[in-house]
Amino acid sequence: GNSVTQMEGPVTLSEEAFLTINCTYTATGYPSLFWYVQYPGEGLQLLLKATKADDKGSNKGFEATYRKETTSFHLEKGSVQVSDSAVYFCALSPSSNDYKLSFGAGTTVTVRA
Amino acid sequence: SAVISQKPSRDICQRGTSLTIQCQVDSQVTMMFWYRQQPGQSLTLIATANQGSEATYESGFVIDKFPISRPNLTFSTLTVSNMSPEDSSIYLCSVDNGRNTEAFFGQGTRLTVV
Repeated sequence: GNSVTQMEGPVTLSEEAFLTINCTYTATGYPSLFWYVQYPGEGLQLLLKATKADDKGSNKGFEATYRKETTSFHLEKGSVQVSDSAVYFCALSPSSNDYKLSFGAGTTVTVRA
Repeated sequence: SAVISQKPSRDICQRGTSLTIQCQVDSQVTMMFWYRQQPGQSLTLIATANQGSEATYESGFVIDKFPISRPNLTFSTLTVSNMSPEDSSIYLCSVDNGRNTEAFFGQGTRLTVV
C-alpha cells in the first residue's frame, strides 16, 4: 500500500536559518504529493503540492520537488521566520483526482527569534 | 475554497457512550473523508463518504464502531460508538474541492474518553 516516511522532529531553529524536512514515499502508479501545515490553534492547510515527477511546488518561500528516482519530496525554506513555527505533514494521494490522503508522522518546527 | 465547520470542537465523554460529530461544508462536494489523529501520531483515514451510498471504510475501521451518514452533498456525520479511552483522538473531516486541486480540512473535534 501507499505510505509516507517523514523526518521526525521536533526541529528547533533560529530565525533566518535554513530548514529541510525530509519526506520519502512508497506508492504504486502516479501519486500526487503534498505538504500540509498546521499552525498553532489552527486547522490543516495545504502548503504546496506537486502532481508529477520533476514538478516543483512552492508557496510562502517553501519549496519541494517531486523526485521519482529517489521517491522523495523534501521540504525546504532558505530563511525561516518565527511565524513558520508549526507542524508540517507530508502526504500523498494515489492520483491527481483522488484525495484519500496518506500522511507522514508530522514534524514540529519551532523557530526562535 | 471550501469552508468546513465541525461540531463539536471538543468533548469529554464517558466510556461506553457514543458521540456524533457533524461536518458542514459551505458548498456541494462529491466526496467527504473522515480522519483520526491519535495523540502524537499522524492522520489516518477512517472512511470515505459519498452521498447516496454506503461509506467505504479503510482497513482497521468498521461501520459498527464508526457509523457514517451522508444525507446530502454538504453534510456528513461520524459517530464514535461504545467509546473507550483508546478512542481519544482528534477527528477531522476533509473534502476535495471538486476541481481536483486541493483537499480542505475542518478544524477537528478533540475527543477525550474517560
